[in-house]
Amino acid sequence: GAVVSQHPSWVICKSGTSVKIECRSLDFQATTMFWYRQFPKQSLMLMATSNEGSKATYEQGVEKDKFLINHASLTLSTLTVTSAHPEDSSFYICSASHASGRGTYEQYFGPGTRLTVT
Amino acid sequence: DAKTTQPPSMDCAEGRAANLPCNHSTISGNEYVYWYRQIHSQGPQYIIHGLKNNETNEMASLIITEDRKSSTLILPHATLRDTAVYYCTSPAQGAQKLVFGQGTRLTINP
Repeated sequence: GAVVSQHPSWVICKSGTSVKIECRSLDFQATTMFWYRQFPKQSLMLMATSNEGSKATYEQGVEKDKFLINHASLTLSTLTVTSAHPEDSSFYICSASHASGRGTYEQYFGPGTRLTVT
Repeated sequence: DAKTTQPPSMDCAEGRAANLPCNHSTISGNEYVYWYRQIHSQGPQYIIHGLKNNETNEMASLIITEDRKSSTLILPHATLRDTAVYYCTSPAQGAQKLVFGQGTRLTINP
């Protein structure tokens, strides 16, 4: 099956520092990946669409200069949280689109990265 | 994206069939219905998707009404490991991105 990994699985950083999270599709190529954020007891909130070789598309209200996304290859997208603050503490999840063979796409999700900013 | 509505929570006894409803009355003709589930502190897991015909795979069955305004996800023999939040979602035609509502928190009881 399609597997997506994330690294690190958890990270603690000090306020004002930057943190990079990697998302990899292990056994398929993904031209499109997505980044979500999830706060406790809430649903997933889509942050941005990451397109290989082009700029990411951010959802309304998501600061593109704060959440830098790079999709340099067909198997890797990175999310960098710049100048992190405690309110950025959250569960960050990526997903990668995989063609289902029915003319549709299935999204496969990574295991998530828990970020804690102190 | 079609707006989806799901009950916030459901309970089901272990070994019984779990039937999870989803209302998507604004769905357009070529928009698919997707189901995912999320076990606590993990990334969501793809379950199944369909357009108008009923679908079945090794995890579940998906029943879509003829008018496509609602669907039901069926877990035929629920186990304790099926306890999770189940999300029904429908991306806009031709789009890949998914928007998640609050989902249904399904609890399987022994």
